[in-house]
Amino acid sequence: EVQVLESGGGLVQPGGSLRLSCAASGFTFSNYAMSWVRQAPGKGLEWVSTISNSGDSKYYADSVRGRFTVSRDNSKDTLYLQMNSLRAEDTALYYCAKLKGATPTSSDSWGQGTLVTVSS
Amino acid sequence: DIQMTQSPSTLSASVGDRVTITCRASQRISSWLAWYQQKPGKAPKVLIYKASSLESGVPSRFSGSGSGTEFTLTISSLEPDDFATYYCQQYNSDSLTFGGGTKVEIK
Repeated sequence: EVQVLESGGGLVQPGGSLRLSCAASGFTFSNYAMSWVRQAPGKGLEWVSTISNSGDSKYYADSVRGRFTVSRDNSKDTLYLQMNSLRAEDTALYYCAKLKGATPTSSDSWGQGTLVTVSS
Repeated sequence: DIQMTQSPSTLSASVGDRVTITCRASQRISSWLAWYQQKPGKAPKVLIYKASSLESGVPSRFSGSGSGTEFTLTISSLEPDDFATYYCQQYNSDSLTFGGGTKVEIK
C-alpha cells in the first residue's frame, strides 16, 4: 500500500526556519516526482513545490521561491522541505503528495499533512 | 503563471441531482488537468486525471471532459458521500496551480 507520512511541523516565530519531512513507503520512491501542497486554515489548496524523481529538477511557487528548498534522499525514501524566513502567511497544513510520474504531473497519493504555525 | 478559475464557488444540490463544475485556464493546457475531492479534515483524493481519465477505484458517476482552456467535472447522480469540496489542478506548466475550489452542499 502506498503511504506518505509528513512530520516536522510546529510553532515557529516569524523569520524562523523549519524542515518538514515526508517518509514514503509502498512504492519505488526513486521512480516518482513528489510535491508539497499547503492549505491555510479555511482556505483552498496551494501548490508549493515539486521535485523530479532524480532530484535534478525543482519547481517552486512564486510565494515561496528563494525562501523554501525542496530536496529528497532516494536512499532513505524521504522528501524534505526546508522553510526559511517564515511569515505569518505561511501558516498552513502542509501535504506531501506522490505524483503519477517522474516529472510534474497529477498527484495520486497524499499524506495527512503536518501543521505549520508561524506566530510570535 | 497559469491561473485556474472554478465556478461556481458553492453549489447546493440534492441527492440524485446531476452536478457540473467548471474550471477555466488562463491559457491553453491541452488535457493536462486533474480533479480532486476533499472532505473536511481529510487529504485530497484524485478523481480524474488527464482531463477525462477516471482514477482507479473512483465510481463511474464521476466524469471529466474538456481540453484547451475549459473543463468540466460531472457527477451524474449525486450521492450522500459526494458532498465535499472539489478542486481542479493544471499540470501543463512547471507550476501546478489549483483552482479556488467548489463546495458541494446539501440543498
